[in-house]
Amino acid sequence: AQSVTQPDIHITVSEGASLELRCNYSYGATPYLFWYVQSPGQGLQLLLKYFSGDTLVQGIKGFEAEFKRSQSSFNLRKPSVHWSDAAEYFCAVALNYQLIWGAGTKLIIKP
Amino acid sequence: NAGVTQTPKFRVLKTGQSMTLLCAQDMNHEYMYWYRQDPGMGLRLIHYSVGEGTTAKGEVPDGYNVSRLKKQNFLLGLESAAPSQTSVYFCASSYSREGQYFGPGTRLLVL
Repeated sequence: AQSVTQPDIHITVSEGASLELRCNYSYGATPYLFWYVQSPGQGLQLLLKYFSGDTLVQGIKGFEAEFKRSQSSFNLRKPSVHWSDAAEYFCAVALNYQLIWGAGTKLIIKP
Repeated sequence: NAGVTQTPKFRVLKTGQSMTLLCAQDMNHEYMYWYRQDPGMGLRLIHYSVGEGTTAKGEVPDGYNVSRLKKQNFLLGLESAAPSQTSVYFCASSYSREGQYFGPGTRLLVL
C-alpha cells in the first residue's frame, strides 16, 4: 500500500542554521510529491511540489526539496532558518486525486 | 480571490446536536475534500467529491455526511455530534493532481 513516512516527529534547529526534514514514500509509479507547512492555528499552505523533470525543486519561503528515486525520498531543505519557520511540515504523495499524508514534523527554532 | 473559505471558524456543540460546516471555493476546482486533524493523528480524509453532485467516502466517514449541490460548495454535516468528533476540520480543493488548497479550518468542540 502507498504510504508516506516522516521519521522525525520533532526537530529543533538554531535560528540561522540549515534544515533538512526527511520524507520517505512507498509508491509504485512515478509519484507526485508535495510539502505543506502549517503554522500554529492556521490551515495548510503548499510549499512546493514535484511531478517530473528536475529532481531539485524550489518552493516558497526559500525552501527546496530533492527527489531521489533510488532512496524513495523527498527531503525538504532550507539553508538558513528564521524564527518564523517554526511550524509543522507535512509531506504527501498523490494517489489519484487524493493525498496520502505523512504524520508531520514539528520544527522548533532555538533563538 | 478568497481561495477556500470555511464557516464557522469555531463552534461548541452538545452531544446529540447537529450542525453543518460550509466550505466554499472560488477557484473553479473540480475536487473538494473534508479532513479532520487531531493531535498525533495527522490529517485524515473524511469525504471527498470529484465534481458537482458526486461524493465519496474517505478514511473516516462514519458519523458524517456531505453534499456537493454546487461546484463551489462542499457541506459537511454531523447529524448527531459525539465527543469523539471534537477536532479541527479542514476543507481543501484542487483542480487536478497538482496540489490541494486548504481553508483556514473550523474548530469544533463537542461536550
